[in-house]
Amino acid sequence: KAGVTQTPRYLIKTRGQQVTLSCSPISGHRSVSWYQQTPGQGLQFLFEYFSETQRNKGNFPGRFSGRQFSNSRSEMNVSTLELGDSALYLCASSLGQGTNSPLHFGNGTRLTVT
Amino acid sequence: QQPVQSPQAVILREGEDAVINCSSSKALYSVHWYRQKHGEAPVFLMILLKGGEQKGHEKISASFNEKKQQSSLYLTASQLSYSGTYFCGTDSGAGSYQLTFGKGTKLSVIP
Repeated sequence: KAGVTQTPRYLIKTRGQQVTLSCSPISGHRSVSWYQQTPGQGLQFLFEYFSETQRNKGNFPGRFSGRQFSNSRSEMNVSTLELGDSALYLCASSLGQGTNSPLHFGNGTRLTVT
Repeated sequence: QQPVQSPQAVILREGEDAVINCSSSKALYSVHWYRQKHGEAPVFLMILLKGGEQKGHEKISASFNEKKQQSSLYLTASQLSYSGTYFCGTDSGAGSYQLTFGKGTKLSVIP
């Protein structure tokens, strides 16, 4: 079974620009979560989608948004990029039975904002 | 609130044992454990649920003390492949879809 695929692997953007990251979950997984990973803060929850509905959102500004498509693929968008947005963005898929199900992480997208 | 992991880092020789702890200030519904190697994705190790159910790899053992809101991961007879950063993720409510992760414990196993 193919794992979680995230594209692109690396991105370099300039302050003020916007960026879209993509995540393809494991086949059959309907839940997709997004996390921001930084050395100082660790893994921070961004949001979770299930069947195209956002079920939970973390404590991030409105510049961070996401969506999920009918095939469970998900995208997240960050507008008006700031230097502090530089991080590894991880997507994880699961069967979606709440937190009873393990998360399967992708390799992440490394975003650098200059 | 972010759970607190201890120790922050530990160095072991092959064959030695280690315990990684995860403490929360909130009542817990579930605790997840993941291991992340440098440059790789976090990999699922175990879920411990309120009520005693556990899901995970047979070679990994962990405990969940609901009253103390703590979980511990036990690594026995460590191998070089155990090296990595271990994260616990906690959930404080049934039906929640969000894990709050600790800052991680860096484990290094040396020959």
